[in-house]
Amino acid sequence: NAGVMQNPRHLVRRRGQEARLRCSPMKGHSHVYWYRQLPEEGLKFMVYLQKENIIDESGMPKERFSAEFPKEGPSILRIQQVVRGDSAAYFCASSPQMTDTQYFGPGTRLTVL
Amino acid sequence: GENVEQHPSTLSVQEGDSAVIKCTYSDSASNYFPWYKQELGKRPQLIIDIRSNVGEKKDQRIAVTLNKTAKHFSLHITETQPEDSAVYFCAASGKGAQKLVFGQGTRLTINP
Repeated sequence: NAGVMQNPRHLVRRRGQEARLRCSPMKGHSHVYWYRQLPEEGLKFMVYLQKENIIDESGMPKERFSAEFPKEGPSILRIQQVVRGDSAAYFCASSPQMTDTQYFGPGTRLTVL
Repeated sequence: GENVEQHPSTLSVQEGDSAVIKCTYSDSASNYFPWYKQELGKRPQLIIDIRSNVGEKKDQRIAVTLNKTAKHFSLHITETQPEDSAVYFCAASGKGAQKLVFGQGTRLTINP
């Protein structure tokens, strides 16, 4: 059973460009969470999605950030018009339905020049 | 909302000694408390978790204790080894599939 997959693993963008991060949950997992980790800091919750639904987006900035988890395909975290402060590691995690345990992917390290 | 405080921020112990990391949480409705280990540049890995219906859980050299009344929980690592060196995060969440609120992390260094 493959673990949580994320791509790309590293992404470099210039200020003003768009960043698109992908997350494929573990097989059989229907819940996806995105977290952001700034250098030398802890993980901060951004958004929680189930297939075709955003359940909790309380940690996601209102401007420039969006997330989706379509019926088919990976979950996407999209950052428009990136700024230097968006540079961070973005981790997604998945969990089986109606359980607490979250398993993390390897992360996407975003660098904004 | 939930707030999780973690101490200490850094911890250095001699190989073979024990290490203890403590966390407190604010929301009495939280009932799930996992611990993650993160090595440099790697993903957080779940090492142990506990739910509010138990007070202690052990897995080989790792144990977690939970005091619901005081709203704190602790990670205990015995017989530490160099490969235990990493950053450890505690977290808390409410019932069901919900977001995790993480502590600030503890950088554990095991000295040979």
